[in-house]
Amino acid sequence: ELKVEQNPLFLSMQEGKNYTIYCNYSTTSDRLYWYRQDPGKSLESLFVLLSNGAVKQEGRLMASLDTKARLSTLHITAAVHDLSATYFCAVVIMEYGNKLVFGAGTILRVKS
Amino acid sequence: DGGITQSPKYLFRKEGQNVTLSCEQNLNHDAMYWYRQDPGQGLRLIYYSQIVNDFQKGDIAEGYSVSREKKESFPLTVTSAQKNPTAFYLCASRRTGGRTDTQYFGPGTRLTVL
Repeated sequence: ELKVEQNPLFLSMQEGKNYTIYCNYSTTSDRLYWYRQDPGKSLESLFVLLSNGAVKQEGRLMASLDTKARLSTLHITAAVHDLSATYFCAVVIMEYGNKLVFGAGTILRVKS
Repeated sequence: DGGITQSPKYLFRKEGQNVTLSCEQNLNHDAMYWYRQDPGQGLRLIYYSQIVNDFQKGDIAEGYSVSREKKESFPLTVTSAQKNPTAFYLCASRRTGGRTDTQYFGPGTRLTVL
């Protein structure tokens, strides 16, 4: 059974600081997604990572994937308050209709 | 405007009642999914459908039922057999055929059992 673990589960950081969220998964998958969720809202797709060594960047967020280590990271650069949200990683299981297995989420609070 | 709509936004159910949550998409996506989210947790898959008139159970299908009579619609019924149905329910859809196909999520329905 595929397990996806994120850490930390809660992150409080000052504006302007850098930090990394980690996502480990237990079995082979060739696709990993990062989503953002604002309180009470739905999920917004941030990145899809397809191959070993893949790196995607959008604004202050950068995601990477190491399929050999079964590890993805979401790096936050010079955090701003607008980045406060819950971030989920999700790994695809193609054999089951491309279902997504989600991590528990990282709650990010950026303090001014 | 292309997208996924879910209704109602909030739903209250009495013990022993069945309720149906609506999910409609006009993205022409083949695959549709239902997830459940509990506070402080990630999403868990209830059911999914890759084509019309076909669907499969996910990880937590007990107490739920679905139908897929039309490509654009994938309603979820929460039956009285679901012992703890209070949760946030999210519908998603995905175009099939490409490796980068992302699941896009609807706005969600928050179900509360009274």
